[in-house]
Amino acid sequence: DSGVTQTPKHLITATGQRVTLRCSPRSGDLSVYWYQQSLDQGLQFLIQYYNGEERAKGNILERFSAQQFPDLHSELNLSSLELGDSALYFCASSVSSEPYEQYFGPGTRLTVT
Amino acid sequence: AQSVTQLGSHVSVSEGALVLLRCNYSSSVPPYLFWYVQYPNQGLQLLLKYTSAATLVKGINGFEAEFKKSETSFHLTKPSAHMSDAAEYFCAVSERNAGNMLTFGGGTRLMVKP
Repeated sequence: DSGVTQTPKHLITATGQRVTLRCSPRSGDLSVYWYQQSLDQGLQFLIQYYNGEERAKGNILERFSAQQFPDLHSELNLSSLELGDSALYFCASSVSSEPYEQYFGPGTRLTVT
Repeated sequence: AQSVTQLGSHVSVSEGALVLLRCNYSSSVPPYLFWYVQYPNQGLQLLLKYTSAATLVKGINGFEAEFKKSETSFHLTKPSAHMSDAAEYFCAVSERNAGNMLTFGGGTRLMVKP
């Protein structure tokens, strides 16, 4: 158990809908990262927050957004969902920024039908 | 932009044999390097990391990796495979002074035959 929790574990929704994925980092970790894992794209970095502020952006679609709250938990919002958004979404946390290792949560499996 | 290449999407070894999983990165400046393992239906677990100390890095579960700057490689090895090592392995890099985002390789699925 990495100490990073993600909810829900599974999510099935229809195209065009909006969902919210939630992540609680390890106790003491200030940085939260979101990654997407899909069969065709592999593991891709989406976005990073550090102590409530956006720190880095990767290949995140405009339909996706995230935030980190004062209690350091984070939410990833996915809207206008398409079939291609079906993937495993991981949250990771680290104490700070580089070069600290990231601890990954168990992921949320999103299926868009 | 950084890229990571893992040669061999599938590697099969016999139990007790040497495990060698290959990873090459593209960067003129040596990045930070990591190996993660993913068991079925689970998240990623850190095996080991290289951050510019010793070039031979020892990790958990008997794995180790050697950073070779001249070859831009960070191959993962284990002297003797165990059935429980069957999983998917990911090599990842993080650029120095550029945040801590990870760029992952495509992954290598390790199969261990009895």
